[in-house]
Amino acid sequence: DADVTQTPRNRITKTGKRIMLECSQTKGHDRMYWYRQDPGLGLRLIYYSFDVKDINKGEISDGYSVSRQAQAKFSLSLESAIPNQTALYFCATSARQGKGATHQPQHFGDGTRLSIL
Amino acid sequence: AQSVTQLGSHVSVSEGALVLLRCNYSSSVPPYLFWYVQYPNQGLQLLLKYTTGATLVKGINGFEAEFKKSETSFHLTKPSAHMSDAAEYFCAVSAAAGNKLTFGGGTRVLVKP
Repeated sequence: DADVTQTPRNRITKTGKRIMLECSQTKGHDRMYWYRQDPGLGLRLIYYSFDVKDINKGEISDGYSVSRQAQAKFSLSLESAIPNQTALYFCATSARQGKGATHQPQHFGDGTRLSIL
Repeated sequence: AQSVTQLGSHVSVSEGALVLLRCNYSSSVPPYLFWYVQYPNQGLQLLLKYTTGATLVKGINGFEAEFKKSETSFHLTKPSAHMSDAAEYFCAVSAAAGNKLTFGGGTRVLVKP
């Protein structure tokens, strides 16, 4: 079973609709992230959460919101979807960086392909 | 602020030939550098990382990368390409104090038989 699970894997919807993408993890990590991937632009950070009560905007948060329902769950919402939000969305997790510990790598889900018509 | 530039959005190599993917970064603090690989319809997997210490870093699947501070580069190489290396590769940088990644635009590798 996947350690980082994203649902749905594919979604087609219409402009103006509210969309929720969900992410759950069994890795026991404190930190969770949402990215979007666009061709030629790599991945760009939308929101990140270092624990349940700590949520932060990334570089492209406009038009998105998130909810950290539990340590293992982190949802991304598009309140009113628009076509330029069509992209591949990834959730990632990482362990907390302890004092003196090496930098913790991120672990990615398989992505949600979202198309907005 | 930090940024990553990957030279070449597409690279084509013959099976058995050298794979060289270029990555240059900018960072206001000592960087942590990563290479990730993405196979079709999958998420990203960590290939290797540089944090501190030895500047030549070995990763999975025969890949390695060398951190060159003077050139602000972290190029990825593999001596002999295999068909299974066909994928998209992403270079990323993170500030030492945090864990936010900034990604390059990616390089798609095609391996010809």
